[in-house]
Amino acid sequence: DTGVSQDPRHKITKRGQNVTFRCDPISEHNRLYWYRQTLGQGPEFLTYFQNEAQLEKSRLLSDRFSAERPKGSFSTLEIQRTEQGDSAMYLCASSSTTDRSEKLFFGSGTQLSVL
Amino acid sequence: DQQVKQNSPSLSVQEGRISILNCDYTNSMFDYFLWYKKYPAEGPTFLISISSIKDKNEDGRFTVFLNKSAKHLSLHIVPSQPGDSAVYFCAASVSGANSKLTFGKGITLSVRP
Repeated sequence: DTGVSQDPRHKITKRGQNVTFRCDPISEHNRLYWYRQTLGQGPEFLTYFQNEAQLEKSRLLSDRFSAERPKGSFSTLEIQRTEQGDSAMYLCASSSTTDRSEKLFFGSGTQLSVL
Repeated sequence: DQQVKQNSPSLSVQEGRISILNCDYTNSMFDYFLWYKKYPAEGPTFLISISSIKDKNEDGRFTVFLNKSAKHLSLHIVPSQPGDSAVYFCAASVSGANSKLTFGKGITLSVRP
C-alpha cells in the first residue's frame, strides 16, 4: 500500500527562480489537494482537483502559482518568480469520492526555502 | 479569520495521565471534524473523526467529544504515552462537498516519561 508521494522532499532556491513540485496520490484516489503550511500555522488549502479538473482555487494562490493534473493521476505545483514569502511546507493530499469519511491522506511534503 | 481555533499552542502531561486537547470552530456549516497528528518533517496523519450527528467517538486510547451548541470539540488521550508527543491539528469540513479541510493552528503535545 503506497501512500501519497511527494518529490522533492526539500528544495532550496534563490528569489526569482521557478520551482516545480510533484505529487503522486494513492492510486485509486480521484481527488487531489495542495496545501501550504508555514511555521506555527496549520495547513492552508491552496487548490483541489477531481480527476483532471481543477475545481477550486484559494485566494492564497496568486497568479505566480499554477497546478496541473493532466491525466488525473499525478499533479504538479509550479511557483514562478519565487519570493521569500513562498518559503513553506507544501503538502499534497488525496481522497476518494467513494469514501464518505472526509478523510484526506497526506504526503510528507516538500519543504521550500527561498533565499 | 480563523474558522477553526486551537487557542492553546502547547500542552505538557505526565505519561499515563489524560491529555485533553481543545478546539473551537465558528462556521456553522461545518459538520465533520477530524484530528490529525504530525511529527516533524512528516505530513499529517489521520487520527480520529466525528460527524455532527454524534457527540462522541472512541478509538482505543483516543476519544473525540463534540458539543455542537458550543461549537467545541475535544480530543482525549488516555493513557498518554511518550510516543504521543507531536503536533495535533483539529480540522473541519462540510460533508458531501469536496472534502476540503479547514485546519486549526495546532497544539504541541509533550508527554513526559
